[in-house]
Amino acid sequence: QVQLVESGGGVVQPGGSLRLSCAASGFTFSSSAMHWVRQAPGKGPQWVAFIRFDGGSEYYTDSVRGRFTISRDNTQNMLYLEMNALRGEDTALYYCAKDISSSWFEYMDVWGKGTTVIVSS
Amino acid sequence: DFVMTQSPLSLPVTPGEPASISCRSSQSLLHGNGKHYLDWYLQKPGQPPQVLIYLGSNRASGVPDRFTGSGSGTDFTLKISRVEAEDVGVYYCKQSLHVPLTFGGGTKVEIK
Repeated sequence: QVQLVESGGGVVQPGGSLRLSCAASGFTFSSSAMHWVRQAPGKGPQWVAFIRFDGGSEYYTDSVRGRFTISRDNTQNMLYLEMNALRGEDTALYYCAKDISSSWFEYMDVWGKGTTVIVSS
Repeated sequence: DFVMTQSPLSLPVTPGEPASISCRSSQSLLHGNGKHYLDWYLQKPGQPPQVLIYLGSNRASGVPDRFTGSGSGTDFTLKISRVEAEDVGVYYCKQSLHVPLTFGGGTKVEIK
């Protein structure tokens, strides 16, 4: 079945780094644009980053641009989020989500269950 | 950024009765292709969001026909014709016309 499974979350000190992974299965990953969306405790979802099906375009929300990098490996059906210079406000449940489109933003039709990132000293 | 404002914040509903949620964008969500880039998601407790409506008024696969999306420009509405117990959760609208993609603050639907 169509599935996204995130991993790599954990507790990290402010200024530290983490790499999140998302394993995709059950659909043609190499034809799908992908997103990272996060949700802080008790808050609504916040879109974080987007990557086109071929990795040719990336977009970020302002608060993470320059600190986070989205990437993908279509040979391994994997999506990644490299997070550097982490701050307390990055604490959240991080979801990967598939877009129905291959190259632009339409809507997110498949979501993983998320991986938790806690930034704390 | 496009600011998405939802109302009400909380919506107690009686099973079998209709419900309506409003979403207003700070700027028009009409693309040059004639489509409105506005989606509705439902997040049930302990689960990730799930899409209900895309491009303003299109029901996603598997979504019951009691859910209807409508609206244009900056004002959109999600209607549930007859609320069922399984519809409880937080409803979010989201715009995908402009980066950054932005979600509304959410409307919590609960059974009276």
